Amino acid sequence: ELKVEQNPLFLSMQEGKNYTIYCNYSTTSDRLYWYRQDPGKSLESLFVLLSNGAVKQEGRLMASLDTKARLSTLHITAAVHDLSATYFCAVDISFRGIQGAQKLVFGQGTRLTINP
Amino acid sequence: EAQVTQNPRYLITVTGKKLTVTCSQNMNHEYMSWYRQDPGLGLRQIYYSMNVEVTDKGDVPEGYKVSRKEKRNFPLILESPSPNQTSLYFCASSFFGRGSNQPQHFGDGTRLSIL
Repeated sequence: ELKVEQNPLFLSMQEGKNYTIYCNYSTTSDRLYWYRQDPGKSLESLFVLLSNGAVKQEGRLMASLDTKARLSTLHITAAVHDLSATYFCAVDISFRGIQGAQKLVFGQGTRLTINP
Repeated sequence: EAQVTQNPRYLITVTGKKLTVTCSQNMNHEYMSWYRQDPGLGLRQIYYSMNVEVTDKGDVPEGYKVSRKEKRNFPLILESPSPNQTSLYFCASSFFGRGSNQPQHFGDGTRLSIL
């Protein structure tokens, strides 16, 4: 059974600091997504990582994927308050070997709080 | 505006009273899916549909039914709700699932409380 583990689960940091959220998963996959969720809101897609070594950047966020290590990271640079949210990684695996049957297995989420 | 619309957003009901949560998308997506979100567990897939009249179970299908009679709609049915189905539910859609390389688009969520 695929397990996806994020750490830390809770992160409180100051504005201006850098930090990294880790997403480890237990089976082979070459696709991983990062989502953001604000309190009481839906999930918003941040990054789609489709191959080993993929790196995507958007503003102060940068995501990378190492399929050999089964690890993805979400790096926050010079954090600002607006980045406070819960971040989820989701590993995409073929569901029961059925072509096109996408199954996203989500991590527990990392609740990020950025203090002024 | 491209969106996935769920209704209702909030519902408090009692054990055993059948309910339906509707989901509609306007992006002509083939693939639709239902998830439930519980604290500390992330999101878990309930059912998915690859196209009209094609549905299959996800990880936690017990106590739920779905149907896909039209491409845009994918309702979630709880025939006899129980308190352990109290949760936050999300509907999501994308172009043909895994083959599309596109992220799933999520609805705003439905918070169900079963007393």
